[in-house]
Amino acid sequence: QKEVEQNSGPLSVPEGAIASLNCTYSDRGSQSFFWYRQYSGKSPELIMSIYSNGDKEDGRFTAQLNKASQYVSLLIRDSQPSDSATYLCAVTRPGYSTLTFGKGTMLLVSP
Amino acid sequence: ETGVTQTPRHLVMGMTNKKSLKCEQHLGHNAMYWYKQSAKKPLELMFVYSLEERVENNSVPSRFSPECPNSSHLFLHLHTLQPEDSALYLCASSQLGNYEQYFGPGTRLTVT
Repeated sequence: QKEVEQNSGPLSVPEGAIASLNCTYSDRGSQSFFWYRQYSGKSPELIMSIYSNGDKEDGRFTAQLNKASQYVSLLIRDSQPSDSATYLCAVTRPGYSTLTFGKGTMLLVSP
Repeated sequence: ETGVTQTPRHLVMGMTNKKSLKCEQHLGHNAMYWYKQSAKKPLELMFVYSLEERVENNSVPSRFSPECPNSSHLFLHLHTLQPEDSALYLCASSQLGNYEQYFGPGTRLTVT
């Protein structure tokens, strides 16, 4: 089983819709969770972090964490074409000094 | 300069060449990382330096040699690379105890 799984997409949504990006992880001991956005040809940019169960909102972005289900998601409200990018989920794992990344989900927002 | 910078941004090298990638962070962090990103694959961690000591080395071939002379600078020395080493090489930094990593713009490496 892969440590961090994401649907590779592309996930296509119309402008103004809610985009929902999902991530599952295999290690029950994971404590910290991050979402990075990566535009084509660019490097990953940290957009959200979440550490406890529930929702965390920042502007149009909401991260949701359910440790019992080993599931973390990112909701983007009022999606814009500029949100079109690959979104990487990253988690910490006990015994590891750094993050484990998923392959990412490509999001396409059409005008 | 702000954030994390990397030079060069693009590099084309032959299999017999020797080159170095440079990373500099201006965030006051004390941990630095090298990642490799190939198409269709997750980010692959190569090396971790914490307080200038290498703390993780993910079975990377010896043709990649890291160097961390101080907490702000990180190098990746390359020699006798293979075509499959062509990828985007990313440097990142963080503060010890905080897993939030900040990435540089990357070096796009092509091995011919």
